[in-house]
Amino acid sequence: DARVTQTPRHKVTEMGQEVTMRCQPILGHNTVFWYRQTMMQGLELLAYFRNRAPLDDSGMPKDRFSAEMPDATLATLKIQPSEPRDSAVYFCASALDRANEKLFFGSGTQLSVL
Amino acid sequence: ILNVEQSPQSLHVQEGDSTNFTCSFPSSNFYALHWYRWETAKSPEALFVMTLNGDEKKKGRISATLNTKEGYSYLYIKGSQPEDSATYLCALMEYGNKLVFGAGTILRVKS
Repeated sequence: DARVTQTPRHKVTEMGQEVTMRCQPILGHNTVFWYRQTMMQGLELLAYFRNRAPLDDSGMPKDRFSAEMPDATLATLKIQPSEPRDSAVYFCASALDRANEKLFFGSGTQLSVL
Repeated sequence: ILNVEQSPQSLHVQEGDSTNFTCSFPSSNFYALHWYRWETAKSPEALFVMTLNGDEKKKGRISATLNTKEGYSYLYIKGSQPEDSATYLCALMEYGNKLVFGAGTILRVKS
C-alpha cells in the first residue's frame, strides 16, 4: 500500500539544538502539508506546498522554523534553535491536487525538547 | 482563514447507541469539507470528502451530510461499537487547497 513515510518516529533533543524532520509523500501526490498536534488546537497547519512550491507557511514561527521540498519525494521541516515549547507530534500529509481528494497522513514524528 | 467549530468536545456513549456530532462554519466559501477519524497513537484517516450542498456520504455504519447554506455538517454513527472510539475531525479545504481542521470531537464507546 502507498503511504506517507516520516522520519524519525521519535526525537529527543536538548534546547538549542537543530531538529530536522523528513517526509516522503506518496508517489504522484503533489500537495504536501505539515501539521503539529497541539492540546488546544488539535491539528495546527504549519505549512503546505503544491508542486514543491510553498503556498502558505503563515502558521510557522518564522524565526526558528523552516520548511522546504528539495525534490518531489522529500519534504523537510527544520527547527533551529529548538525550544521546549516545540515538543509535540509533527505530522506530514500528502494529497493529489484536486478539491475532493483526501489527505493521507504519515505516522508522525514525536519531538521532545528538553 | 475559515473558523471550523466542532461540537460536542467529547461524548461518552454505550455500545449500541447511535450518535452524531456537528461541524459548523461561518461561510460557504470553500472547496470541500472533510471528515477524518483519528485513533489514539495513530494517524488521522479520511472518512469522507464532500463538496456540494446536500451531499450525503455513507461508509458502513457511519454517514455524513453537508449543508453549506446553513453552515454545518453532521457525522452520524449508527449502533456505536467500542472500536468506534476515536477523535473525529472536521476540516475545510479553502480555495488554494489549504486544509484547516477543527479541534475534534472525542468519542468513547463503553461496552
